[in-house]
Amino acid sequence: DVKVTQSSRYLVKRTGEKVFLECVQDMDHENMFWYRQDPGLGLRLIYFSYDVKMKEKGDIPEGYSVSREKKERFSLILESASTNQTSMYLCASSLLNTDTQYFGPGTRLTVL
Amino acid sequence: GQQVMQIPQYQHVQEGEDFTTYCNSSTTLSNIQWYKQRPGGHPVFLIQLVKSGEVKKQKRLTFQFGEAKKNSSLHITATQTTDVGTYFCGTSGSARQLTFGSGTQLTVLP
Repeated sequence: DVKVTQSSRYLVKRTGEKVFLECVQDMDHENMFWYRQDPGLGLRLIYFSYDVKMKEKGDIPEGYSVSREKKERFSLILESASTNQTSMYLCASSLLNTDTQYFGPGTRLTVL
Repeated sequence: GQQVMQIPQYQHVQEGEDFTTYCNSSTTLSNIQWYKQRPGGHPVFLIQLVKSGEVKKQKRLTFQFGEAKKNSSLHITATQTTDVGTYFCGTSGSARQLTFGSGTQLTVLP
């Protein structure tokens, strides 16, 4: 089975802090994705990557950056956290040229 | 990018009743995927439809893709408490990124 893990289930940070969310997948997937999930808005794509050191902006990239130094790891970075970034963050991965995505358990981030 | 509208946002049913959620787009979709997210869990892939008019079944779940490939539905027959969760439709773009609908949260009353 595909396993996608995220570094924390719950995280509390203060406004202005730099925040790193880590995602690791163990199935050699080329594609990796970061979403945020908010009530009534569904899942919105922040960034995605289809190869090491490659990144593409999703629908809501503002305030975020990403890093993919190794194939299995995709990091989401909040350079200066703000309260409107309080949300559930979900990482997903998929094989190249396939559509099925496998999600991690999510990180619930609260920014105070 | 492509947008998909999903209705209803919430649905409460008595156990044993049927349930349907709809996904609509103003543009032709290359495919439609359905995911289920249990309370406190993460989205889990259910199925993908790619052909016009396609119908697929998984036990009590029936998935349809419209003839014009602009809409899709998920129908659950005789709901059970294990069906509780949020059901999302999504469609993939050229780079395999998914655009999701806002989801339908299903509550099943015993």
